[in-house]
Amino acid sequence: NAGVTQTPKFRILKIGQSMTLQCTQDMNHNYMYWYRQDPGMGLKLIYYSVGAGITDKGEVPNGYNVSRSTTEDFPLRLELAAPSQTSVYFCASRKGRVGNSPLHFGNGTRLTVT
Amino acid sequence: GENVEQHPSTLSVQEGDSAVIKCTYSDSASNYFPWYKQELGKRPQLIIDIRSNVGEKKDQRIAVTLNKTAKHFSLHITETQPEDSAVYFCAAKTESGGSQGNLIFGKGTKLSVKP
Repeated sequence: NAGVTQTPKFRILKIGQSMTLQCTQDMNHNYMYWYRQDPGMGLKLIYYSVGAGITDKGEVPNGYNVSRSTTEDFPLRLELAAPSQTSVYFCASRKGRVGNSPLHFGNGTRLTVT
Repeated sequence: GENVEQHPSTLSVQEGDSAVIKCTYSDSASNYFPWYKQELGKRPQLIIDIRSNVGEKKDQRIAVTLNKTAKHFSLHITETQPEDSAVYFCAAKTESGGSQGNLIFGKGTKLSVKP
């Protein structure tokens, strides 16, 4: 299994541009998550999904959108990039409920908005 | 909602010494507390976790203790080695997000082990 795969690894955007961060997992996990990691700030949950067709907001959803059309894929969309969205983004997945199965992270996408 | 505080933010120890990282949480309903290790430029990886029905759990050189009354939990690393150098994150399960809950992370502790 490849696990959780994120693309791209790095990206530089100009203010106002849009982009999609891709995330796919081949472990047949039901639950998928998007986190952002800012220096000294830990991991903040942006959006999550408990299964195909179901998504919900996390702690910091503003400026982002997600979709979950298949079990494998969970893309994160930035519509109007802002400097405050400069961060490292991690996609993660788990098989079952929190506490019953470990969270698997992707390698991250480093995004810079200038 | 849940809030997780983690201390210290940085920790430097000599190789062979012990390291202790502490976290406090606010939601008394939280019942699952994992610890993640993130090496420089890498993804976070689960190293140990504890559930609220257990007071302590060990795995070789690492251990986690939980005090539900005081709402704090700690990571203990004994006989530290240079490869233990990383950022460590604690987390607590919040009861938001419906029946499956979500994890709230602390801000991380950068551990440096000096040879």
